[in-house]
Amino acid sequence: GQQLNQSPQSMFIQEGEDVSMNCTSSSIFNTWLWYKQDPGEGPVLLIALYKAGELTSNGRLTAQFGITRKDSFLNISASIPSDVGIYFCAGQLRGNTPLVFGKGTRLSVIA
Amino acid sequence: DTGVSQDPRHKITKRGQNVTFRCDPISEHNRLYWYRQTLGQGPEFLTYFQNEAQLEKSRLLSDRFSAERPKGSFSTLEIQRTEQGDSAMYLCASSFGENEQYFGPGTRLTVT
Repeated sequence: GQQLNQSPQSMFIQEGEDVSMNCTSSSIFNTWLWYKQDPGEGPVLLIALYKAGELTSNGRLTAQFGITRKDSFLNISASIPSDVGIYFCAGQLRGNTPLVFGKGTRLSVIA
Repeated sequence: DTGVSQDPRHKITKRGQNVTFRCDPISEHNRLYWYRQTLGQGPEFLTYFQNEAQLEKSRLLSDRFSAERPKGSFSTLEIQRTEQGDSAMYLCASSFGENEQYFGPGTRLTVT
């Protein structure tokens, strides 16, 4: 089946640093989404991308939909302790198909 | 504005018992999805409903699993004769049509 590869698997950064993570797929998606999950909770939607090449921001978060439609990137600027968590990318082929998730990038922020 | 809610949040059961989980979607959302998440993995799709109709089921949904959404509002997911491999977080999400999916807090199932 389809698989999404997220990298890095984990990162330790200092508070205030910028963070970059990415997600690649062996097949094309028409929608890319980024979620954040805290321990014991469900994923929370951060950003949704609908068009190849699209760049969208949500506060300190910026995500891009790769022009090949096989990848997406998430950047977090000026990290703060509450950014700690697991970030998941998800791809969707069409609006009526299931989301396919990556395995997540675990972010730790050192104050 | 209430989000997606799930009940219970945690369930511990013995192998062989049946369990049932409930999901209440965001009120105007007509689509409801069930996912399963094991440790270190992303959520995996199980099934989804549009209103009361179950439109798709994953091959992960064995015949011990059944989901319903009788009136197109809340949904239940039942697992019969639970096995240790069923231990996971069961997540529910909802959307309005083909728009973004919003997740609930999940039900953590532990089968002993």
